[in-house]
Amino acid sequence: GAVVSQHPSRVICKSGTSVKIECRSLDFQATTMFWYRQFPKKSLMLMATSNEGSKATYEQGVEKDKFLINHASLTLSTLTVTSAHPEDSSFYICSAKTSPILRETQYFGPGTRLLVL
Amino acid sequence: KQEVTQIPAALSVPEGENLVLNCSFTDSAIYNLQWFRQDPGKGLTSLLLIQSSQREQTSGRLNASLDKSSGRSTLYIAASQPGDSATYLCAVEERNNNDMRFGAGTRLTVKP
Repeated sequence: GAVVSQHPSRVICKSGTSVKIECRSLDFQATTMFWYRQFPKKSLMLMATSNEGSKATYEQGVEKDKFLINHASLTLSTLTVTSAHPEDSSFYICSAKTSPILRETQYFGPGTRLLVL
Repeated sequence: KQEVTQIPAALSVPEGENLVLNCSFTDSAIYNLQWFRQDPGKGLTSLLLIQSSQREQTSGRLNASLDKSSGRSTLYIAASQPGDSATYLCAVEERNNNDMRFGAGTRLTVKP
């Protein structure tokens, strides 16, 4: 099956710094990528949907200036948490699919654990 | 807005027992429903996907059912093993968009 990777798998940073998380589709072209956030013992919450070459669509309540998403190529999307604060600590998971129109399975990455001190 | 609920939140069973995990959703306008497994600190592993036109899917010791009209799905695990210990998430893909909505999960512990 299709493989999605995330880097880094774990990051610890100081409050006020920015952190970039990469999501890559390794063996397919991902026209659409999704970013989720998961709090402990909570469900995954969709943060935003990004289509290659266009601006991301953010879910209600997600600050687009806080969580910058770039999907510049068909195999890479990045999520940058700007001026991170301890409340941004969470588990971030990306997923990808090959078409924004066709109904296909989303392939999930292994997740990135962010801890902001 | 679609809401997905999973009951129970946690479940502990002895090895060998058959068990059922429950998932309910509020809007029946779904495209599919998917069950995932998540190990601590890890990503998601897809277990079973049921299209909205289907009633159930089976894979090994796992069987998932879907009753779209009542907004319910169950995941049946037969002859549970300690290796089945994980959090099980259900998610629905909404018919009108790409969005997947997840339940909070059921944390399963199978004791040897």
